[in-house]
Amino acid sequence: DAGVIQSPRHEVTEMGQEVTLRCKPISGHNSLFWYRQTMMRGLELLIYFNNNVPIDDSGMPEDRFSAKMPNASFSTLKIQPSEPRDSAVYFCASRQLGTDEQYFGPGTRLTVT
Amino acid sequence: QKEVEQNSGPLSVPEGAIASLNCTYSDRGSQSFFWYRQYSGKSPELIMSIYSNGDKEDGRFTAQLNKASQYVSLLIRDSQPSDSATYLCAVNGNTGGFKTIFGAGTRLFVKA
Repeated sequence: DAGVIQSPRHEVTEMGQEVTLRCKPISGHNSLFWYRQTMMRGLELLIYFNNNVPIDDSGMPEDRFSAKMPNASFSTLKIQPSEPRDSAVYFCASRQLGTDEQYFGPGTRLTVT
Repeated sequence: QKEVEQNSGPLSVPEGAIASLNCTYSDRGSQSFFWYRQYSGKSPELIMSIYSNGDKEDGRFTAQLNKASQYVSLLIRDSQPSDSATYLCAVNGNTGGFKTIFGAGTRLFVKA
């Protein structure tokens, strides 16, 4: 079975550019999470969806960040405009509602210069 | 106060020893507790979950929960070099639905 798929795996961009990260959850999972991980702040929950509906976006750092889940098999996290302090590894994870185990994707390593 | 606190380490133990990893949490109403393992450059992987006070054993791993003290621990018996990783404690809080809060992680080194 395919796990959580994220693309791209690595992204290097210049400050001010728009960045779009993509995630395909495990088929049948109806909760999706976006996390950001840095050495300084650890693993932070940015936003999560249940049945494609955003439930809690209190972790989204500022208006430059937005996330969508147009259907059960696809989600995007967009940063516009990007800043060097956005450099981090961004993980997507999915889970079946009613269960506890989250399955993480391989992550996208974002570098903003 | 952070919601989930862990000693960042590194914790270094010799091969074959018991590694003890600790975690405290602030939300007294938390119900679900997890340990994730993360190898360098990889994504977190769930290795243990615990929901009630006491011990839960799975192979070489034992999770311990004390809700009164708001304390969770992970014991790794017969530690192996392959256990060297960062261990993340995670808690499902009592607020925000199924929101999981992660600790910063403890780096474990098992010396051969």
